Amino acid sequence: DGGITQSPKYLFRKEGQNVTLSCEQNLNHDAMYWYRQDPGQGLRLIYYSQIVNDFQKGDIAEGYSVSREKKESFPLTVTSAQKNPTAFYLCASSTGGANTEAFFGQGTRLTVV
Amino acid sequence: GQNIDQPTEMTATEGAIVQINCTYQTSGFNGLFWYQQHAGEAPTFLSYNVLDGLEEKGRFSSFLSRSKGYSYLLLKELQMKDSASYLCAPLMNYGGATNKLIFGTGTLLAVQP
Repeated sequence: DGGITQSPKYLFRKEGQNVTLSCEQNLNHDAMYWYRQDPGQGLRLIYYSQIVNDFQKGDIAEGYSVSREKKESFPLTVTSAQKNPTAFYLCASSTGGANTEAFFGQGTRLTVV
Repeated sequence: GQNIDQPTEMTATEGAIVQINCTYQTSGFNGLFWYQQHAGEAPTFLSYNVLDGLEEKGRFSSFLSRSKGYSYLLLKELQMKDSASYLCAPLMNYGGATNKLIFGTGTLLAVQP
């Protein structure tokens, strides 16, 4: 079945450690997005990528890094520079065209202790 | 952010009709999505508008006015399961091939018996 997969669903890390969140899609989508959601808040864009080997900063990129070496994969690294990393992280993909919906993964809830 | 405004919370009665408004910046606008999100879950696609007018899809309809930078989501015959957050998401293009999907803070709808 085609879809977008984030793993793991829950992740715990110690403060000061980098952590990488996985996002894989087999929908043959060109565009991929990473969002952060805090309790009671909307989605804030961290990074997005329209094509392989290219990505742009979103509204809250500081303390995060991404790579897009393959079309199917868009991993997000939460670095120790991110001051408040505990949040719900959502990955999405779309064909990239102006009239196509974005499909979301199930999300990863990251807790830093 | 991109000045996406929607009410924070709304309450409505089962069986009634509710309208959730959204305003956004028109510069770079390339279409608008509405998503539904239940607590702790990923957003799911509801509707897409790119031209002015009303798009109807069962109990849900969405309206767009490009010149006014305004959209609304209309939910009819409300059911208890419609209690969720509703996210307004304009697709923006600031030149080139890259589209940027951004979200409002969401409207938390509570449907009461």
